[in-house]
This record gives sequence, structure tokens and C-alpha cells, in this order.
Amino acid sequence: DTAVSQTPKYLVTQMGNDKSIKCEQNLGHDTMYWYKQDSKKFLKIMFSYNNKELIINETVPNRFSPKSPDKAHLNLHINSLELGDSAVYFCASSQELQTSYGYTFGSGTRLTVV
Amino acid sequence: DAKTTQPTSMDCAEGRAANLPCNHSTISGNEYVYWYRQIHSQGPQYIIHGLKNNETNEMASLIITEDRKSSTLILPHATLRDTAVYYCIVRATREQFYFGTGTSLTVIP
Repeated sequence: DTAVSQTPKYLVTQMGNDKSIKCEQNLGHDTMYWYKQDSKKFLKIMFSYNNKELIINETVPNRFSPKSPDKAHLNLHINSLELGDSAVYFCASSQELQTSYGYTFGSGTRLTVV
Repeated sequence: DAKTTQPTSMDCAEGRAANLPCNHSTISGNEYVYWYRQIHSQGPQYIIHGLKNNETNEMASLIITEDRKSSTLILPHATLRDTAVYYCIVRATREQFYFGTGTSLTVIP
């Protein structure tokens, strides 16, 4: 049973396309996140989201939008893809009132824009 | 954004203890020290965390100095599968995790 699952694992697409990455967690956590890891291996938070609040990293272009149909899902939609969007995107979840364990991460989606 | 300083890379012989240092001289009283690791191409994995006291679990031990300005993650018997990037993060409850550059640990046969 995968705790945090992302699909697809690999995504190759052309510039200008719109794509989505899906994330689901079965841990009952109330908060989910998207992180981006670039070619230099820096992991940067993009969004955090729970039922009450969406927190956006100000450096994230507005072409990126998180969509949460319910507490267990947080999808990432990207419009007008650019070469610089190529990276590995990680979804994570946590239970906000608990300090234990921090975040549980998915295995990542490697996005390549050509 | 990262509030920690770690060596860029370290080597450790298989079967020996790996001691990974971390400096967090500006840590606040309400901030915990967390350690994660990222094995190549996988998502970051939680290892251990602590506030003041030393902590131990099935994966590792965490030693925090009395002034809390530094800590050491100890992998008691390193294996080849422990080769990974190790991130030391300080974080208060409800804050986000900010990952720095971490320490790339290579376990040598």
C-alpha cells in the first residue's frame, strides 16, 4: 500500500502544452504539498494546501495551479509548459497537528519539456 | 531559507558508523531538528527528529548539543543502501520544510 502515490512517474511533453500530475495519499493526512527539485537537486516547496488554506510560494509562476477535489488528493496543473519547468515534482502530505514524522513524500514525477 | 549548514559530502566505510554533522546556530526554542534522506531518484524519507534530548530509532540516533546549536546524525552500521543525500532541517510546528543542499553520503564497500 503506497502512502503517497503520484502519477505519472515520467512525463515528456512539448513546450506550450498543458499537463497535470496527480497525487493521492491514503494516510488520512489533512495537508498536502508540492515540491519541485531542479537539475541542481534543490528541493523547493511550491504549495501547501489543506481544507482551510492554500499557501503559495511567491516564486511559483501562476501557470502552476494546485487543484484539490478532496482531502486525499492534490493535483498539479501546469499551463503553457516551458523548458525551465523540466524537473522532478514531489507530492507530500502531513498531519498538521502532529510534529512526528514530518512529511511523507511520494516517489516523484519526472517532467521533461522538449 | 535553509537555517542549517552541512558538509557537502562525506564517505564512510561499510559497517562503520556514519556521523553526519549539522550546524544550526540560529535555532529557536520552538524549532525541532529533523533529518531526512533522499536516495537517488526517490522521494525524501523521514529518518528522525528531536527537540532537546538525544533520540534513537531503528534507523539512526540523533545527538543534539546542550546549546542546541548543532547536532549529529549517527547511522550505527552503514550499509551500501545508506548511500544518499542527508538533509538536516530545523522547523517549528506548522512551518514548512525547507531543504538545503544536504550532505551526500557515500558508503564504500
